[in-house]
Amino acid sequence: DIVMTQSPLSLAVTPGEPASISCRSSQSLLRSDGHNYLDWYLQKPGQSPQLLIYLGSNRASGVPDRFSGSGSGTDFTLKISRVEAEDVGVYYCMQVQQAWTFGQGTKVEIK
Amino acid sequence: EVQLVESGGGLVQPGGSLRLSCAASGFTFGDYWMNWVRQAPEKGPEWVANIKPDGSEKYYVGSVKGRFTISRDNAKDSLYLQMNSLTAEDTAVYYCARGYCNTAGCSRGYWGQGTLVTVSS
Repeated sequence: DIVMTQSPLSLAVTPGEPASISCRSSQSLLRSDGHNYLDWYLQKPGQSPQLLIYLGSNRASGVPDRFSGSGSGTDFTLKISRVEAEDVGVYYCMQVQQAWTFGQGTKVEIK
Repeated sequence: EVQLVESGGGLVQPGGSLRLSCAASGFTFGDYWMNWVRQAPEKGPEWVANIKPDGSEKYYVGSVKGRFTISRDNAKDSLYLQMNSLTAEDTAVYYCARGYCNTAGCSRGYWGQGTLVTVSS
């Protein structure tokens, strides 16, 4: 199985400041079609996970442009350019290259 | 608009069985791999099983092998998960999820809103 490792596991951010979450996979998620098979999800308290970024760097419809995904192969980053109060929750990276596996989650709180 | 609507969850005793269903719409169901993902209380999500578009290949996470069976009916645009020999560790919200690629290319995946399965006496 592909192991996904996120860091940090928790993050306290001042509104308006940037934030960054790292995700590393134990195998490359880059396929010959050029796609990196990695998604980012946000789970807000009491809600189902919602898709933020798919296939490495594509922002899902309706997701604010302050969210961006980057990286390739085994190292990926989710960046929030200016954190807002509504961004609190747990962020998961998820590989969909093989049998899907998830990172441990990063809990984001507001200072 | 892609929609995935799960049903069939509920309270079941340890050792019991339950069958989950997922009704799909808004895309050509028979073109995509389909998945079940679950999330236990206060835990992260866990992939459970998937099935090839034509149903010829099925894969499971180790903890459910031999107990759970994934199936699909492409004529009814429906996905199923038969769960037997349930234990408390199977308590979770179960999500139906679409795969990413068809013959035309790859795009985003989709999840349903989930159905809660509670295993308790």
